[in-house]
Amino acid sequence: DADVTQTPRNRITKTGKRIMLECSQTKGHDRMYWYRQDPGLGLRLIYYSFDVKDINKGEISDGYSVSRQAQAKFSLSLESAIPNQTALYFCATSEAVNYGYTFGSGTRLTVV
Amino acid sequence: AQKVTQAQTEISVVEKEDVTLDCVYETRDTTYYLFWYKQPPSGELVFLIRRNSFDEQNEISGRYSWNFQKSTSSFNFTITASQVVDSAVYFCALTIFSGSARQLTFGSGTQLTVLP
Repeated sequence: DADVTQTPRNRITKTGKRIMLECSQTKGHDRMYWYRQDPGLGLRLIYYSFDVKDINKGEISDGYSVSRQAQAKFSLSLESAIPNQTALYFCATSEAVNYGYTFGSGTRLTVV
Repeated sequence: AQKVTQAQTEISVVEKEDVTLDCVYETRDTTYYLFWYKQPPSGELVFLIRRNSFDEQNEISGRYSWNFQKSTSSFNFTITASQVVDSAVYFCALTIFSGSARQLTFGSGTQLTVLP
């Protein structure tokens, strides 16, 4: 099994729909992150969590919410999807900030 | 605030050529870490290297080498004798330890295409 698993891998949804992207990790790390990748913009941080009770907004949190259900699970929700949320979404985990991240394989989301 | 700039959006080389990917960073912290990640066409992000701000030694790993220069705030990545399999997007990233910025900040990436 992969260290970080994201589901679904691909998703097409309609404008206005609620959608949840799920992430689970087997590394045993406390820190988890959600990033969004857009062409030419690199990866931008949406939300991050340093433990189950510590959730923080990142650079581009508007329109998104998260839930840390357990140490191993960190879900990202789009309450009402819009087309400019079409992107590649990555979940990541790290042992500590200086160790770098282990990324999931990504979820490609298309909002039509 | 911290920032990473990868000015080269796209680079195209012919196989066996050497290629250098530039990375310039900005931070006021004296303690920080720099990273390079590779994103092949399949989409996953692959960790390549980590370097802390107190270690300016260059590093070589096979055909890959990294040049870290604090004087110019640069952390450049060179691929020697490039191969088609090196075709990917390469990201440089920075992290510091202070305040709420304790997460990776990425550059916008450089798309490298190696032609046969």
